Amino acid sequence: AQSVTQPDIHITVSEGASLELRCNYSYGATPYLFWYVQSPGQGLQLLLKYFSGDTLVQGIKGFEAEFKRSQSSFNLRKPSVHWSDAAEYFCAVGGNAGNMLTFGGGTRLMVKP
Amino acid sequence: EPEVTQTPSHQVTQMGQEVILRCVPISNHLYFYWYRQILGQKVEFLVSFYNNEISEKSEIFDDQFSVERPDGSNFTLKIRSTKLEDSAMYFCAYRSASGRQETQYFGPGTRLLVL
Repeated sequence: AQSVTQPDIHITVSEGASLELRCNYSYGATPYLFWYVQSPGQGLQLLLKYFSGDTLVQGIKGFEAEFKRSQSSFNLRKPSVHWSDAAEYFCAVGGNAGNMLTFGGGTRLMVKP
Repeated sequence: EPEVTQTPSHQVTQMGQEVILRCVPISNHLYFYWYRQILGQKVEFLVSFYNNEISEKSEIFDDQFSVERPDGSNFTLKIRSTKLEDSAMYFCAYRSASGRQETQYFGPGTRLLVL
């Protein structure tokens, strides 16, 4: 069965600082990996995705993520965080026949001024 | 902007009542999904729907739940007799391509509160 672990439930960073959110997955075949962001009371917005090819993928809002098969990881990074990045971030894996997504528990990001 | 809208945005209902949540696609998508997120918990898959049939469902999607696309447009999730534990945010998602390398895009959600 596929699963996703986001080890950090909460992260606080200062505005302008760099950010890395961790995501580890378990999947029997080649995974399709996603990061979504959810602002309070809002829906899920796709930040970026990985299907194949270059293991470093670029997304919206200056985010990037790197797929590391050997570590079963797909960590999300941003070089300089803005206050508007405060939100909850979800990593998800898909790719089976039904293509259902399995989500991690989320990481809540707080940004200090 | 998401290419689906969800109605209602919020619904409060009494335990045991039936609720119907609607997902209205703007474009002509074929693949639809329902997920739910209980407050403070992870997003969970409920069901996927393609070509007017359920293609996959989770253990959560028991006999109390049903989905249909009655008019070829709206995609609905019905909860026949709501329980307190059905209180959650329900998200409709659609798939943007027909191949396996698809991306699911989510609607804004319906917040359901069962009292």
